[in-house]
Amino acid sequence: AQKVTQAQTEISVVEKEDVTLDCVYETRDTTYYLFWYKQPPSGELVFLIRRNSFDEQNEISGRYSWNFQKSTSSFNFTITASQVVDSAVYFCALIDRDDKIIFGKGTRLHILP
Amino acid sequence: DVKVTQSSRYLVKRTGEKVFLECVQDMDHENMFWYRQDPGLGLRLIYFSYDVKMKEKGDIPEGYSVSREKKERFSLILESASTNQTSMYLCASSLPPTVNEQFFGPGTRLTVL
Repeated sequence: AQKVTQAQTEISVVEKEDVTLDCVYETRDTTYYLFWYKQPPSGELVFLIRRNSFDEQNEISGRYSWNFQKSTSSFNFTITASQVVDSAVYFCALIDRDDKIIFGKGTRLHILP
Repeated sequence: DVKVTQSSRYLVKRTGEKVFLECVQDMDHENMFWYRQDPGLGLRLIYFSYDVKMKEKGDIPEGYSVSREKKERFSLILESASTNQTSMYLCASSLPPTVNEQFFGPGTRLTVL
């Protein structure tokens, strides 16, 4: 069965520090997709990235970067030089052949000024 | 600007009442989803729909039903609300296939007394 584990329930860092949010997944399929979503205090989840299982290249988008490692079944998310606006709940998610999205429980990130 | 709207931001109902949560999207998306979000449990998929009049059960459909009479509208129905259905309900939509990014509404916080 599929599973997504975000072991960090809550993280607090001081502004400008780097922070990494961990995501570990389980699936028996060889074809699957991984996602990260951000939920700011307003409540609406916002899509950040999608990765398919055949593309292990790391991705960088501004201060955000993602490290996909199939060998450890992980898809970690790093924010460099964090800002207060990065404070949110971040969800990692997985879709495999079942075609149903499974979300992790989320990591609440506090960026302290 | 693309939008998913939900009929109420906050709703208070009594045990046993029939409750309708409405979701409307203006992006002509085929796929629509209903989730509930609870502290410590993340997002869990209740029902989803690939097209008008189609519906598929998610991971926790018990106690809920849905209706999709028009492409833009997806309704979640609590036939007889119970206190354990107090939660945040999130609606989302996407283009097919299901691995595409989902666009979320702001959520309805439902309290059942």
